[in-house]
Amino acid sequence: GAGVSQSPSNKVTEKGKDVELRCDPISGHTALYWYRQSLGQGLEFLIYFQGNSAPDKSGLPSDRFSAERTGGSVSTLTIQRTQQEDSAVYLCASSLARGGFTGELFFGEGSRLTVL
Amino acid sequence: QKEVEQNSGPLSVPEGAIASLNCTYSDRGSQSFFWYRQYSGKSPELIMSIYSNGDKEDGRFTAQLNKASQYVSLLIRDSQPSDSATYLCACSGSARQLTFGSGTQLTVLP
Repeated sequence: GAGVSQSPSNKVTEKGKDVELRCDPISGHTALYWYRQSLGQGLEFLIYFQGNSAPDKSGLPSDRFSAERTGGSVSTLTIQRTQQEDSAVYLCASSLARGGFTGELFFGEGSRLTVL
Repeated sequence: QKEVEQNSGPLSVPEGAIASLNCTYSDRGSQSFFWYRQYSGKSPELIMSIYSNGDKEDGRFTAQLNKASQYVSLLIRDSQPSDSATYLCACSGSARQLTFGSGTQLTVLP
């Protein structure tokens, strides 16, 4: 596809369960970002990948959160033992970023996570 | 103190008026500044970027940057109902990621 693709678009889970969120960036985009947006709030940075490496994991809220990226393409954000405060829209974005940071992020439609 | 502050609004302007959206940032090392627009239920999209002091115009949009005052603004001229959205201010410094404000909700009344 032409844009950033995220799945699932909606996920309802029970507290304590693990969830996996997937992001397929725009082909050729080397940088990939995960953000979280709670209702009525701005975007909270979670993690950034350049290729398969994650130089900046500073935004991950706790050790229950992890992310990986394989083949310089698809990324998976995993949340273990979900809590109600994890409920949010998880947004993935990609960027060309070949020589440096451009700030032009292309966002997917997000994965809405609801933890009951 | 939040790193990027915006008036949360909501801001309402009549159709055809100028909408003025403001943003301040705390990190003096910030070098690049961006405005993203987010329609309700949709993901953000980049509408303006600005890197040096002064004004930058693109159609009906003008971004203004004052690094000494750590202030960024977005002016929307001849506002249209289709401009109704949440506008997110974002900054980047040495870290290769954007720090976003909480957004200003704009409603343009027909």
